[in-house]
Amino acid sequence: DIQMTQSPSTLSASVGDRVTITCRASQSISSWLAWYQQKPGKAPKLLIYKASSLESGVPSRFSGSGSGTEFTLTISSLQPDDFATYYCQQYNSYSLSTTFGQGTKVEIK
Amino acid sequence: EVQLVESGGGLVQPGRSLRLSCAASGFTFDDYAMHWVRQAPGKGLEWVSGISWNSGSIGYADSVKGRFTISRDNAKNSLYLQMNSLRAEDTALYYCAKDNIGSGSFDYWGQGTLVTVSS
Repeated sequence: DIQMTQSPSTLSASVGDRVTITCRASQSISSWLAWYQQKPGKAPKLLIYKASSLESGVPSRFSGSGSGTEFTLTISSLQPDDFATYYCQQYNSYSLSTTFGQGTKVEIK
Repeated sequence: EVQLVESGGGLVQPGRSLRLSCAASGFTFDDYAMHWVRQAPGKGLEWVSGISWNSGSIGYADSVKGRFTISRDNAKNSLYLQMNSLRAEDTALYYCAKDNIGSGSFDYWGQGTLVTVSS
C-alpha cells in the first residue's frame, strides 16, 4: 500500500505569511494527488486536485505543485479563514483505493 | 445544488451490525463513483470504501475488508455501507463523498453520521 507522509504536523504562522506544506508518497503516484482543508466540526473541502489544479471557487492564494513522490501545497498570503487542518490524498486509479496523509494543522502564531 | 445526506449512525455494541445510507441529490448519481471516508474523534481522515458508477469496481481499506460491504442503488440515488462485526476502533464520523471524475479526488462531502461502538 502507498503511504503518504505530511510535514510538518503542526505549523504556527501569522496572517500574511507564505505557508508551505509537504506531502511525500512512498512510491510514485504521478499527479494523482489532492489537497483538502478541514475546519473543526465541518466536512473536508477540496482545494487542489491532480496535484496542481485549483478547484472551482477556491481562492488563488492556494496552489499545488509536484509529481511523482513529492508534492507541496502553498498558501501565498495566509488569511484568517485559512487556519485549519490540511490533508493530502493519493489516488490509485487501478484499484479505486485512496490514502490520506495524517494532516497538518495550521495555527495562529 | 449537490447534497449528500448520511443517516443510520448510532450507538452499537461490539460485534453487532449497522447499515449506513447516503442520499444524493443535485447531480446525476449514476455517472459517478462514490466513497465512504471516516474520521475517528480527534483523528485524521481514513478512506473506508469506494464503488464505481455501475458497481463493477469496489475497493476496501484493509481495516474493514471482510466486515464491511459497500453498495449503491442508482434508481434511488443512494449509497450504502453495511458494517458487520463492529469493533471499538470503528467508532468514527462516517462521511459519504462524491468522486470528482478523472481526478481521484472527492469534490462533495456530506456532513457525516456518527457511529459509536461501545458496550
